[in-house]
Amino acid sequence: AQKVTQAQTEISVVEKEDVTLDCVYETRDTTYYLFWYKQPPSGELVFLIRRNSFDEQNEISGRYSWNFQKSTSSFNFTITASQVVDSAVYFCALSAFGGGANSKLTFGKGITLSVRP
Amino acid sequence: GAVVSQHPSRVICKSGTSVKIECRSLDFQATTMFWYRQFPKQSLMLMATSNEGSKATYEQGVEKDKFLINHASLTLSTLTVTSAHPEDSSFYICSAGLAGVSDTQYFGPGTRLTVL
Repeated sequence: AQKVTQAQTEISVVEKEDVTLDCVYETRDTTYYLFWYKQPPSGELVFLIRRNSFDEQNEISGRYSWNFQKSTSSFNFTITASQVVDSAVYFCALSAFGGGANSKLTFGKGITLSVRP
Repeated sequence: GAVVSQHPSRVICKSGTSVKIECRSLDFQATTMFWYRQFPKQSLMLMATSNEGSKATYEQGVEKDKFLINHASLTLSTLTVTSAHPEDSSFYICSAGLAGVSDTQYFGPGTRLTVL
């Protein structure tokens, strides 16, 4: 069975601080996808990234970076120089490889990030 | 690209009535769409997987006769909550799968259902 654990439930930081959101997963599959989605107060889930399990290269996109460590089954997300607009709930999710579009996503419980001015 | 819409965004109805929620992929075709339910401050709970041209697959504990799903085309799936009751009040979100290189689900903006 697949499982995604986001142990942090709520994080509060002051603007411009860096913040890391943790994600630990369990799966018996040898290949799989990992995702991060952002859910702002408006409610819509916004896709941030999809990572293939065989690609352990870290990724940076602007202020966002992701650290994938297969050895520890973790896929952590760091926001550098946080901004108030980053305030949202962030979900980590897992799916079968090749099934990102057509397979169930296993979601973590989400982390509520509050960025104070 | 990869935009998913939902209609309506909010609906208030009386107990016993039925409500239909539409989910559309606006700029891509989706063989598979998913319906989720989300309670306040909780994660998403998958209700059913909807495949174009075939019957939906419901998750355990979800009443298929109460939550009717139709996926009539590659860009439209509908969820009908039949004989709605106050306990059906929730935030309903759909996603549509974009296959190919993307191989990712994109989510609609959600529908807030309130049953009085």
